[in-house]
Amino acid sequence: GESVGLHLPTLSVQEGDNSIINCAYSNSASDYFIWYKQESGKGPQFIIDIRSNMDKRQGQRVTVLLNKTVKHLSLQIAATQPGDSAVYFCHNNAGNMLTFGGGTRLMVKP
Amino acid sequence: DSGVTQTPKHLITATGQRVTLRCSPRSGDLSVYWYQQSLDQGLQFLIQYYNGEERAKGNILERFSAQQFPDLHSELNLSSLELGDSALYFCASQLNLNTEAFFGQGTRLTVV
Repeated sequence: GESVGLHLPTLSVQEGDNSIINCAYSNSASDYFIWYKQESGKGPQFIIDIRSNMDKRQGQRVTVLLNKTVKHLSLQIAATQPGDSAVYFCHNNAGNMLTFGGGTRLMVKP
Repeated sequence: DSGVTQTPKHLITATGQRVTLRCSPRSGDLSVYWYQQSLDQGLQFLIQYYNGEERAKGNILERFSAQQFPDLHSELNLSSLELGDSALYFCASQLNLNTEAFFGQGTRLTVV
């Protein structure tokens, strides 16, 4: 969601499985959405974005789905690899870049 | 390389001291944001500058202040440091609200 400062929820998946990370947003004026990946000790990095005139966008092994009706965003990672272990944040452009979603920690089990 | 440069990378200082963290945004980006990230926590927004002016403030302590200079680099000043101020401090720059933000590698501050 869009709360910040919370301890991070964790998703644990087996290497090779698909991962789905979810994010809810509250401002219906949002029209641009981004997923960031943050590896331990590093700054967040852009993964993929989507604009509100789309409901799906695919990248390399990643897919972002946008459901504007329920204000929900998801990130799907295919064939999850150890290098995907990180914290994933969602962000939208409504209002300002004031807050990120609290983030989800993805742990990949070998 | 994101194009956003933060210095120093690491800083160790004593309680009660004052430090300055520096951020150089990507060329052309007018917005600079500062975030604090404590261990295993999300990104806490501190403050935003746009083209030299303060645009938005988050949960920034009164002991903390920032500014953006005419060349668009920004500094975050942390004073009367406490142990709880130990954290990673990130700077991000952005062209506009409809583009991605680029983050620096952060400054790890340790207060002892």
